[in-house]
Amino acid sequence: GEEVAQTPKHLVRGEGQKAKLYCAPIKGHSYVFWYQQVLKNEFKFLISFQNENVFDETGMPKERFSAKCLPNSPCSLEIQATKLEDSAVYFCASSHHRVVNYEQYFGPGTRLTVT
Amino acid sequence: KQEVTQIPAALSVPEGENLVLNCSFTDSAIYNLQWFRQDPGKGLTSLLLIQSSQREQTSGRLNASLDKSSGRSTLYIAASQPGDSATYLCAVRARHAGGTSYGKLTFGQGTILTVHP
Repeated sequence: GEEVAQTPKHLVRGEGQKAKLYCAPIKGHSYVFWYQQVLKNEFKFLISFQNENVFDETGMPKERFSAKCLPNSPCSLEIQATKLEDSAVYFCASSHHRVVNYEQYFGPGTRLTVT
Repeated sequence: KQEVTQIPAALSVPEGENLVLNCSFTDSAIYNLQWFRQDPGKGLTSLLLIQSSQREQTSGRLNASLDKSSGRSTLYIAASQPGDSATYLCAVRARHAGGTSYGKLTFGQGTILTVHP
């Protein structure tokens, strides 16, 4: 598709439950990035992929967060045993490796609320 | 570690004013800089992207400049309109540690702009 798609739009989980978010990058884009936006404007980089390979995972909390990008499937971000502080909007972005300006295109985000 | 700062945090202006939003970054080893707009409860809309080798980019009433050596960028909005009300975010794209150019974006905290009729 021509836009980054993210599902679901909203997700509510009780503390300790699992949360799984999905991202379909723009067709033909090789790079996928996940960001977490907390407290209105504070963006934090989580992880990036080059096709199905992890490219940069320096922002990922190691213990409860995991992510995958498998061939012919949407990318996913999974949080095991959610905590209250995981409440945030999670954005996915994709980038085309052949485009000179390497612009990142963002999806609409998934709002996760942990109660 | 790259840090991005945006000033002011909030700005309220009457319709028709020209205004300037400021962005500064601590590490000049960037690949490019993007300005985004975010409406409440919505995603990010890319406004302008400036490559590290460029000095400015223009799109309609928007003009963004980049001074990489001093670690600064400005977004100039001409003849502001109520529809310009939103949060404006500046983000710099790092050079990946391996030397390629697909690095993560580091965001500023944003400037909340309100343009009143």
